[in-house]
Amino acid sequence: GDSVTQMEGPVTLSEEAFLTINCTYTATGYPSLFWYVQYPGEGLQLLLKATKADDKGSNKGFEATYRKETTSFHLEKGSVQVSDSAVYFCALSAPSFYNQGGKLIFGQGTELSVKP
Amino acid sequence: EPEVTQTPSHQVTQMGQEVILRCVPISNHLYFYWYRQILGQKVEFLVSFYNNEISEKSEIFDDQFSVERPDGSNFTLKIRSTKLEDSAMYFCASTEELAGVQDTQYFGPGTRLTVL
Repeated sequence: GDSVTQMEGPVTLSEEAFLTINCTYTATGYPSLFWYVQYPGEGLQLLLKATKADDKGSNKGFEATYRKETTSFHLEKGSVQVSDSAVYFCALSAPSFYNQGGKLIFGQGTELSVKP
Repeated sequence: EPEVTQTPSHQVTQMGQEVILRCVPISNHLYFYWYRQILGQKVEFLVSFYNNEISEKSEIFDDQFSVERPDGSNFTLKIRSTKLEDSAMYFCASTEELAGVQDTQYFGPGTRLTVL
């Protein structure tokens, strides 16, 4: 079945460091890909998304490119801030033809801690 | 900005009791979802709901679970006889339909269910 695999956490970085969180997926067809962020004590917020191969999603300095050839959607940010400390979830949604309900399949989440 | 709301934020119940978790999706959205996140684990899909019926459900969503849209605004998840392993954070999500495809899912803040 469809699945998402993320790099293990926690990831601890100093402020202004470069961030990469790896995400790979297995899916039937051509899924849409998402990164959601969960700040402490809060729900899930959409960070960025990409709906087809070679699309780049971006938001708040974060970027991820949909790479069909490597089935990856790695999250990157050039300079992290303390306020970026959160848990990051990679997710996919299979196209409607294959998945009438439109469910999201999540990776296990990667906790990021940014120190001043 | 419209948002998904959930009540209560925290529910404590005794094993074997019935609980109802409530959600108010974004008003023009047509697809509704429940997910759960057991502490420290990934977010898991439970059920999707469209046009007043279940579109898809996971293996977790057994006969103890039911969903309902009792009026034009609320979307509820009922657990008939709670078990210890039902303790988790439950997230509601909703999305609109664009060109026949479900759009981005927006999540509520979650209800933390604790079964004693």
